[in-house]
Amino acid sequence: DGGITQSPKYLFRKEGQNVTLSCEQNLNHDAMYWYRQDPGQGLRLIYYSQIVNDFQKGDIAEGYSVSREKKESFPLTVTSAQKNPTAFYLCASSMSGQVNTGELFFGEGSRLTVL
Amino acid sequence: AQSVAQPEDQVNVAEGNPLTVKCTYSVSGNPYLFWYVQYPNRGLQFLLKYITGDNLVKGSYGFEAEFNKSQTSFHLKKPSALVSDSALYFCAVRDDNRGSTLGRLYFGRGTQLTVWP
Repeated sequence: DGGITQSPKYLFRKEGQNVTLSCEQNLNHDAMYWYRQDPGQGLRLIYYSQIVNDFQKGDIAEGYSVSREKKESFPLTVTSAQKNPTAFYLCASSMSGQVNTGELFFGEGSRLTVL
Repeated sequence: AQSVAQPEDQVNVAEGNPLTVKCTYSVSGNPYLFWYVQYPNRGLQFLLKYITGDNLVKGSYGFEAEFNKSQTSFHLKKPSALVSDSALYFCAVRDDNRGSTLGRLYFGRGTQLTVWP
């Protein structure tokens, strides 16, 4: 079955540690996205990538980093510079190009808690 | 700038009654509009979208939405609510301006729908 797989589902981190969240898709989508979800704030875009080896900052990129070495993979690293990292993180993908109507496909999310 | 407003944080309805979840938007060009649903600790699931054509769009699980250009609204509706419809609902928008980032959606803050038995 085609879809997006995020891991781990739950993650605990001590302050000062970097953690990496995995996102893999087998939908053959060009574009991938990372969103952060906090209660009452909806979804905020962290980073996005429209093609391999290229990515752009979203609205809240500070304290995060990404890489896009393969089309299928778009890992997110939450660094120690992120002041309030406890949140639910969602990875998504979509087709790209002029025929793209913008529909996103989401993974099941990763919940990060900083202790 | 593109934005979405969901004016109600919570909507409560009785099972069997019609439900409406409101959404208004702002874009520079023509809008592409979407509704997603999220169950606790899960990812978002696509419900329906408006790209062009008929203003009434039908989607999954009996939901529909009406596009109103003059009021810049895209309200989600269902004629008869089920307890299982209880979830968090998100409205999202992007415009058709080729200069905009392809595929990037702007989301509202979400509306928690509770359907009482």
